[in-house]
Amino acid sequence: GESVGLHLPTLSVQEGDNSIINCAYSNSASDYFIWYKQESGKGPQFIIDIRSNMDKRQGQRVTVLLNKTVKHLSLQIAATQPGDSAVYFCAEENYGQNFVFGPGTRLSVLP
Amino acid sequence: EAGVTQFPSHSVIEKGQTVTLRCDPISGHDNLYWYRRVMGKEIKFLLHFVKESKQDESGMPNNRFLAERTGGTYSTLKVQPAELEDSGVYFCASSFSGSYLGNEQFFGPGTRLTVL
Repeated sequence: GESVGLHLPTLSVQEGDNSIINCAYSNSASDYFIWYKQESGKGPQFIIDIRSNMDKRQGQRVTVLLNKTVKHLSLQIAATQPGDSAVYFCAEENYGQNFVFGPGTRLSVLP
Repeated sequence: EAGVTQFPSHSVIEKGQTVTLRCDPISGHDNLYWYRRVMGKEIKFLLHFVKESKQDESGMPNNRFLAERTGGTYSTLKVQPAELEDSGVYFCASSFSGSYLGNEQFFGPGTRLTVL
């Protein structure tokens, strides 16, 4: 596997708007996906996960959508708040293999 | 630029044995982190080195775990003696404090540890 994070796209949204962060995964055999939030100076924090037998999963203000046809994962954050500003990255796991993390997206919430 | 590397990629040991995991951060990165994901649970922070010093080791589960980073380059994480509940994936990450992009951590691929 390769380390990630060398090129970091940025998404800027107005406070109160909805945010959509996208992730393309590489392995069609991956069966478990996770979204992490990484705030400055802190380690990654688990947000929400989804298994490959699901298309959608909702949490508190967050929704993850999985499109296995095009190997695409998205994280939707409703009513984005300043505290949501962070780097978000997805990770895929193929059963029995190690995690592969996505490159990460920096979310900036504008006042 | 080479990324964060970890060795071994997989390790299978018996309960009571010792295992040492190694992490080589990106060259020049002063911050080095260890995380682990126990089966079915989220990734959890273990500890953070700044150069050779332990900045934060609040996530270390118990004294069976010993992390070192002699010389401030690569790091090792030793588990002695290993228990069944130590099975999981151990991640290492590194970052550069002087980055204008902030403390973005670059993760290695992980070491999958299985304790039988």
